[in-house]
Amino acid sequence: DGGITQSPKYLFRKEGQNVTLSCEQNLNHDAMYWYRQDPGQGLRLIYYSQIVNDFQKGDIAEGYSVSREKKESFPLTVTSAQKNPTAFYLCASTRTGAGANVLTFGAGSRLTVL
Amino acid sequence: AQSVSQHNHHVILSEAASLELGCNYSYGGTVNLFWYVQYPGQHLQLLLKYFSGDPLVKGIKGFEAEFIKSKFSFNLRKPSVQWSDTAEYFCAVNAENYGQNFVFGPGTRLSVLP
Repeated sequence: DGGITQSPKYLFRKEGQNVTLSCEQNLNHDAMYWYRQDPGQGLRLIYYSQIVNDFQKGDIAEGYSVSREKKESFPLTVTSAQKNPTAFYLCASTRTGAGANVLTFGAGSRLTVL
Repeated sequence: AQSVSQHNHHVILSEAASLELGCNYSYGGTVNLFWYVQYPGQHLQLLLKYFSGDPLVKGIKGFEAEFIKSKFSFNLRKPSVQWSDTAEYFCAVNAENYGQNFVFGPGTRLSVLP
């Protein structure tokens, strides 16, 4: 079955440590996204990428970094510069091109900073 | 910049009651509109979408939504809710002139009492 795989599902980190969240899709989608979900704030866009080796900052990119070396993969690094990293992180993807598109989501990764 | 608002943070209903969740967006151009649902412990999944044509769209599980362009609204409705509809509901907008960015509302938590 096609879909998006996020790992790990749960992650604990000490303050000052960087951590990388994995996102892999086998849907042959061109565009991939990272959202952060906090209670009462909905989903806020961190970064998105429409094509390999290119990505754009979203609304809350500070303290995060991404790479897009392969079409299938869009890892997110939460750096020590992120002031409040404890959150639920969602990866999504969609096709691009003519016509409107729909986001498909992964199951999410919950990061807790101790 | 686009923004999406949802009228209620938490709605509590008894089974068989009717449901209407409000959603308003700020963008004045051509938009694609979505409702996503997040059941406890599950992926975000698409409930319904509006791209063009009939402003009354039907989705899964008996949900429907009406696009009213003059009011910048896309309210979600269901005539009779069930306990299994307990979930968090997110409205989202993708403006055609805003590229591949999807903007989400803060979410409405629905609790249905048996």
